[in-house]
Amino acid sequence: DSGVTQTPKHLITATGQRVTLRCSPRSGDLSVYWYQQSLDQGLQFLIQYYNGEERAKGNILERFSAQQFPDLHSELNLSSLELGDSALYFCASSVAGGTNTDTQYFGPGTRLTVL
Amino acid sequence: AQSVTQLDSQVPVFEEAPVELRCNYSSSVSVYLFWYVQYPNQGLQLLLKYLSGSTLVKGINGFEAEFNKSQTSFHLRKPSVHISDTAEYFCAVTMKTSYDKVIFGPGTSLSVIP
Repeated sequence: DSGVTQTPKHLITATGQRVTLRCSPRSGDLSVYWYQQSLDQGLQFLIQYYNGEERAKGNILERFSAQQFPDLHSELNLSSLELGDSALYFCASSVAGGTNTDTQYFGPGTRLTVL
Repeated sequence: AQSVTQLDSQVPVFEEAPVELRCNYSSSVSVYLFWYVQYPNQGLQLLLKYLSGSTLVKGINGFEAEFNKSQTSFHLRKPSVHISDTAEYFCAVTMKTSYDKVIFGPGTSLSVIP
């Protein structure tokens, strides 16, 4: 158990809908990272937040957005969902965020299925 | 831009045999290198990372990797595998000079045969 929790575990929704994925980092970790894992595109970094502020951005679509709250939990919002958004979404956390050498601890993931 | 190649998508190996999982990267700047493992239905776990110093890096679960700058490789090795090592292994790279994103390879599926 990494100490990172993600809810829900599974999510099934329809095209065009909007969903919110939630992540609670390990106690004391200030950074949260979001990743998408799909058969087509493999594992891709989406976005990083550090202590409430966006720190780095990867291949995140404009239909997707994220935020980190004062209690350091994070939410990833996916809107206007398409079939191709079906994937496993991972959250990870690390102690700091000032360097990219920090060990990231991954949650178990949320499996999103868009029908 | 950086990229990571894992030439072997699947590697079957008998229990107690040695294994090497290959990783090559491409980058115009200095990078940090990582190996992650993903067990079935679980998230990723860091096996080891190369930041600087000795090119031979030891990680968890008896794994080690060697950084070869001239060949731009970071191959993962284990002298004797167990059934429990059956998993997906990902090589990853990130630039040293920024908070830039981590780029993952496509993964290698290691199957240990009893």
